[in-house]
Amino acid sequence: DVKVTQSSRYLVKRTGEKVFLECVQDMDHENMFWYRQDPGLGLRLIYFSYDVKMKEKGDIPEGYSVSREKKERFSLILESASTNQTSMYLCASSSDRNYGYTFGSGTRLTVV
Amino acid sequence: RKEVEQDPGPFNVPEGATVAFNCTYSNSASQSFFWYRQDCRKEPKLLMSVYSSGNEDGRFTAQLNRASQYISLLIRDSKLSDSATYLCVAFGGNYGQNFVFGPGTRLSVLP
Repeated sequence: DVKVTQSSRYLVKRTGEKVFLECVQDMDHENMFWYRQDPGLGLRLIYFSYDVKMKEKGDIPEGYSVSREKKERFSLILESASTNQTSMYLCASSSDRNYGYTFGSGTRLTVV
Repeated sequence: RKEVEQDPGPFNVPEGATVAFNCTYSNSASQSFFWYRQDCRKEPKLLMSVYSSGNEDGRFTAQLNRASQYISLLIRDSKLSDSATYLCVAFGGNYGQNFVFGPGTRLSVLP
């Protein structure tokens, strides 16, 4: 089974802090994605990557950046955390359009 | 218009009932479709793929109608453990290679 591991399940950070969310997958997938999920808004794509060193903006990239230095690792960075970035963050990976995504267990981030 | 639309529910059904969820997608170029299940405060998990010929897995049946851009999920003999949010997913969104998620339909199966 593909495993996607997110470094933290719950995180509390202060406004203005730089926050790193880490995601690692173990099945050599090319494609990795970061989403946030909020009640009533569903899953929204923040950034994605199809290869090492490659990144593309999704629907809501403002206030975020990403890093993909190795194929298995995709990091989401909140440059200066704000309270409106309090959310559930989900990392996903996929190899092929026919197999769907596999998600990590999510990081519930609270910014105070 | 949202790319993938679903009735958010909630659908409250008794155990043993048959329930159907519908989903429409706007991008006619979408190539693959899936249903995901998400339990409260957990990550979405793949339930099943959706094919034009239909796909059945036990009590679950998924159908795709490309002409109407419509996807369905049928759950027969509902169990308490089926209570969850069901997400409709289409591959091939604005960025070509990403999956687009509907907002989800919440199901509660009641004893």
